[in-house]
Amino acid sequence: QLQLQESGPRLVKPSETLSLTCTVSGGSINTLNYYWGWIRQPPGKGLEWIGHTYYNGNTYYSPSLKSRVTISVDTSENQFSLRLTSVTAADTAIYYCARRGVEGVHPRSFDYWGQGTLVTVSS
Amino acid sequence: QSALTQPASVSGSPGQSITISCTGTSSDIGGFYDVSWYQQHPGKAPKLIIHDVSDRPSGVSNRFSGSKSGTTASLTISGLQAEDEADYYCSSYNNRNSLLFGGGTKLTVL
Repeated sequence: QLQLQESGPRLVKPSETLSLTCTVSGGSINTLNYYWGWIRQPPGKGLEWIGHTYYNGNTYYSPSLKSRVTISVDTSENQFSLRLTSVTAADTAIYYCARRGVEGVHPRSFDYWGQGTLVTVSS
Repeated sequence: QSALTQPASVSGSPGQSITISCTGTSSDIGGFYDVSWYQQHPGKAPKLIIHDVSDRPSGVSNRFSGSKSGTTASLTISGLQAEDEADYYCSSYNNRNSLLFGGGTKLTVL
């Protein structure tokens, strides 16, 4: 059974960089068939797509976050990571990592999700 | 403001059917057939319940069904059960290859 687990600091200071890692178990991240993505959810609010990456490092970002986001993949560790720079209180959210199918092979929906981790931006 | 518009809340009694709408534009829902729906219980991660407008992943109850007409997608839950009480989110890609979510709909089972 595929499992995803987010890890990283739960508290980040304003203007600093948020860094999270998603560790994938029960399956390989080094696959042609899936993307690996990040979605966030401010407390009490809706979902927001951040972006996703492919095993070869190709990335796709939300236009609204593109200038501050980097998603990278480490196939040797079966992990992928999120970096969000210059954070503000508006970046406080539950951050989820998830798996998405590659078009033409699988549905373009996120079918496996991590449990999520709350990251608070505060001094 | 979310890119896709959902009603903030819907309610129904056990055994009844309810429908949640998700309205977009010709650049997203109207132009693509990969609308998805997610169910989220409090404190839990979202769960995929519908993909490609109307397909159910393995293990998802057939009480959940999806459809699309023009720029509006819909999720119907039939035979409402107490366990269906949750938040529901629609999603669609747009013509810039960005993923959009609806603002979410809170379903209350009376």
